[in-house]
Parts: sequence; C-alpha cells; structure tokens
Amino acid sequence: GAVVSQHPSWVICKSGTSVKIECRSLDFQATTMFWYRQFPKQSLMLMATSNEGSKATYEQGVEKDKFLINHASLTLSTLTVTSAHPEDSSFYICSAYPPVSGGYNEQFFGPGTRLTVL
Amino acid sequence: GQSLEQPSEVTAVEGAIVQINCTYQTSGFYGLSWYQQHDGGAPTFLSYNALDGLEETGRFSSFLSRSDSYGYLLLQELQMKDSASYFCAVYNFNKFYFGSGTKLNVKP
Repeated sequence: GAVVSQHPSWVICKSGTSVKIECRSLDFQATTMFWYRQFPKQSLMLMATSNEGSKATYEQGVEKDKFLINHASLTLSTLTVTSAHPEDSSFYICSAYPPVSGGYNEQFFGPGTRLTVL
Repeated sequence: GQSLEQPSEVTAVEGAIVQINCTYQTSGFYGLSWYQQHDGGAPTFLSYNALDGLEETGRFSSFLSRSDSYGYLLLQELQMKDSASYFCAVYNFNKFYFGSGTKLNVKP
C-alpha cells in the first residue's frame, strides 16, 4: 500500500503557542488529504478536507482560524494549531486520497501526531 | 448529517467468529468501509462495500445491505492480535465519516 508520513509523531507545547503538523504522501500524489482528530477511546472526527491549490473545506464546528490548513503541493499538507490550549490536546491523524477517475479509492493514513498542550 | 452506530465493545475467544454491526443514517451514500486501529496507532483499511452483499478478504468479510442501511464486519478464526478497535465509515461526497467504533477483546 501507499505510504503517508506525519511529523512530528508527538509534541508538547505551552498554552498560547502554535504547532505545525506535516503530512506527506511519499510514493503517490494526493490531490486530497483529510485531517482527523481523535480523543482517547473515541472515534475519528473529520476536521477538514485539504485540496491542493485551493482552500481547505472545514467541517461544521471546526474553527478555520484556529486550525490552519495548507496544501502546498501534491505531496504535502500542513495543519497549524494556532494559540493552542489544553483542550486542543488530542491525536491528530491525516490521510491521503489518491486521485481517482470516478468511484472509490482507499485513503491511506499517516501514523498520527499526539499533541499535548500544557 | 451523518450518524453511524456500532456496539461499543465485544469480547470473544481465540479461534471463534465475531460479527461487528454498523447501522448508518446519512444524507448521501457511496459505500461503507471498515478500518482496524490498535491502541496508539493509525487506522488501517480492511474492506469496502459499495454494493449489497458479502466481500471476503482472508479471515475478514464485510457485508452491506443498502436498503437496511446496515453492514457488518465478520472476523473468523480470531487471533490475539485481532484485539483492536474497529470502525465502520461511510464514504459520501468524497469524504469519510466514521462510526463510534467497537473495541474487540480477544481472550485465550
């Protein structure tokens, strides 16, 4: 299967600082990437859809000014958590979705980033 | 909106067969996927159903009934390493919406 990397794998930061998380598709070009958030023992919540060359599409209830998403190239999307607070502590996972000519294709997940805000 | 329901936890013994159900209510629907996630890890893809019926992949099978808005994942010959959380996910308008997840405990 395709490989998606995420960096960093974990980060601890102070309240009020910003944290950037990178998601890279290593062996395929991804016109679409997804960002999810997962609290302990809970499901994956879709935060936003990142599209190369255009603005991200955010799910209802997700603050776009707090969670800045940039899809700079066909292999890189970044999520920046701005002015992080303890309630932003969570497991953030990206996935990459190769382009398809109609129909379904599998999404490939990165290993996730565990963010702890003190 | 999207709503997917799964049992929260299932326990079974090694070598047994277990079925994890998923019922969904969505505004649109292209297909149903299943993912496995071990503690602290990322989800891995198991199976996908776009049409009614059974899809078999080794020890894992997945079933879909679109008319009933229902699907299930069947795991056969359970092994200890199958202890994990399992999520169904609806594929809809080029997005994936995940169910609440089912924690499977496999005992010796």
